[in-house]
Amino acid sequence: EAQVTQNPRYLITVTGKKLTVTCSQNMNHEYMSWYRQDPGLGLRQIYYSMNVEVTDKGDVPEGYKVSRKEKRNFPLILESPSPNQTSLYFCASSSFFNQPQHFGDGTRLSIL
Amino acid sequence: AQTVTQSQPEMSVQEAETVTLSCTYDTSESDYYLFWYKQPPSRQMILVIRQEAYKQQNATENRFSVNFQKAAKSFSLKISDSQLGDAAMYFCAYRSAVGSTLGRLYFGRGTQLTVWP
Repeated sequence: EAQVTQNPRYLITVTGKKLTVTCSQNMNHEYMSWYRQDPGLGLRQIYYSMNVEVTDKGDVPEGYKVSRKEKRNFPLILESPSPNQTSLYFCASSSFFNQPQHFGDGTRLSIL
Repeated sequence: AQTVTQSQPEMSVQEAETVTLSCTYDTSESDYYLFWYKQPPSRQMILVIRQEAYKQQNATENRFSVNFQKAAKSFSLKISDSQLGDAAMYFCAYRSAVGSTLGRLYFGRGTQLTVWP
């Protein structure tokens, strides 16, 4: 089954404790991206990747890091999480820029 | 950066009736793609419909259709014969097809649709 898998689905943690949200897709897609969703703001892009070893900032990259060492994986790293990063996070992928993105099921992060 | 505006934070419709959700966008690009996504309470992001900017014909998917007005930069979604399962948050999205923002997806803030029985 074609899918984008995010882990964990839920996480409660404390300020400053490094965490990684994994994202993996099994569709051989070139394009992957991370979004955060906050009430009343819609989804905003954090980082995106056009292919392996090619990443670029979206609209809200501060406080996040990403890497794309393999085509299928695109982890999101919070080196020193803060409460303002409490949000719902989505990973998405697509085969090319003109194709719809497939979304993961989301990760609910709470930073205390 | 491109901006997408959904001016209706909330809408409601009676079951079996028709409702239209509004979306406008601001861009100087000549080529792009437009999407409507649905997010039910399960919070999954589900593609509803897609429109290529170079196509004049409005896209249709069963009960869902769009009114794409390129000159006016408008992309509204019409849901016909509304069903209880249509209740969700709906997001309009713009995807760049040229230039330095190639492939980037920009979302509106969403419209929460309630369907009354």
